[in-house]
Amino acid sequence: DIVMTQSPDSLAVSLGERATINCKSSQSLLYTPNNMNYLAWYQQKPGQPPKLLIYWASTRESGVPDRFSGSGSGTDFTLTISSLQAEDVAVYYCQQYYGGPSTFGPGTKVNI
Amino acid sequence: QVHLQESGPGLVKPSQTLSLTCAVSGASISSGDYFWSWIRQPAGKGLELIGRVYTGGRTYYNPSLKSRLSISVDTSKNQVSLQLTSVTAADTAMYFCARDPHRVGFLDPWGQGVLVTVSS
Repeated sequence: DIVMTQSPDSLAVSLGERATINCKSSQSLLYTPNNMNYLAWYQQKPGQPPKLLIYWASTRESGVPDRFSGSGSGTDFTLTISSLQAEDVAVYYCQQYYGGPSTFGPGTKVNI
Repeated sequence: QVHLQESGPGLVKPSQTLSLTCAVSGASISSGDYFWSWIRQPAGKGLELIGRVYTGGRTYYNPSLKSRLSISVDTSKNQVSLQLTSVTAADTAMYFCARDPHRVGFLDPWGQGVLVTVSS
């Protein structure tokens, strides 16, 4: 299985400041025939299911605020929240859907 | 807007079979060209893909659960079902169903989830 790791485990960011979450895969998620990275990001608030934020590593889901952005390619990816809002307090997960059973990172908890 | 709702017994005895359903509203399963997935999350832990079923009935199971798992779709009831046999305490988790809208693996939307505890 492809192993996903995330860093940091948790971070505290002031309101209005930038939050950066890293995700690394044990093998490349770039499918060269279509030049797409098979990587998604989710936000999970307490007591709620995960919510899709980003897919194909950098495509923002409809309705997701533009302060959320995804970047990276191959094995290294980043989720950036450009200006943290109170409602962004949550756990963030990356997910690879490149191969084998789809697997998730362990999560990064973002606090104020 | 598509809405998914999981249901099933909250408590299952060890060695018995866990059975859950995911009712889909706001869309007809038979008219869509989607995968329908089950994911679980032990309390305070990460997410694990259990498996998925295509509208036409084709399935993919996580190899770690394959020998105990069955996922099916009932288009007449517009629901997806999961059965996991010979459960142990390690199967205690929140179970979610979710749609795979592009049939590639990312999931949206998700149901609210149902908590299943395996205990005697």
